[in-house]
Amino acid sequence: KAGVTQTPRYLIKTRGQQVTLSCSPISGHRSVSWYQQTPGQGLQFLFEYFSETQRNKGNFPGRFSGRQFSNSRSEMNVSTLELGDSALYLCASSYRDRAEQYFGPGTRLTVT
Amino acid sequence: QKEVEQNSGPLSVPEGAIASLNCTYSDRGSQSFFWYRQYSGKSPELIMFIYSNGDKEDGRFTAQLNKASQYVSLLIRDSQPSDSATYLCAVTRDSNYQLIWGAGTKLIIKP
Repeated sequence: KAGVTQTPRYLIKTRGQQVTLSCSPISGHRSVSWYQQTPGQGLQFLFEYFSETQRNKGNFPGRFSGRQFSNSRSEMNVSTLELGDSALYLCASSYRDRAEQYFGPGTRLTVT
Repeated sequence: QKEVEQNSGPLSVPEGAIASLNCTYSDRGSQSFFWYRQYSGKSPELIMFIYSNGDKEDGRFTAQLNKASQYVSLLIRDSQPSDSATYLCAVTRDSNYQLIWGAGTKLIIKP
């Protein structure tokens, strides 16, 4: 079974621009979670989608948004990029509540 | 108080010894517990999960759960240099099933 895939793997953007990241979960997984990871900060939860509905949301500004499609693929969008948004963005999928999450390789975003 | 706490380390262990990693959590209703390994620059990789009190063994790894004391631990036997990584503990919040993450313990295995 194919793992979680994320595209693109690397991205360089300029302050003020917007960016869209994509995540395809493992086949059969309906839950997709997004995380931001910066050096020394650990995993910061952004949001979780389940069956196209945002079920949980972390403490991030409204510039961060996401959505999930009927095939469980998910996208996250960051508008008006700031230098502090430079991070590794990770997507993880799971097949049911309380189940283990499996991570994709991440998208490394650099904002200049 | 953080919901999930881990010692940040680094924890230095000689090759061949047992590495012991600990994690405490605050939500008494938590039911699912996970250990992930993360190499520098890579994404977290699931190595163990445990749902019931007691021990769960998988190869060189043993997860231990004590719900009464609200801690979960990971033991790595016969530690190898390739085990050097950051180990993340994650616990599901009972109210909404969201995974709550510890900050991770950096483990260094010295040859």
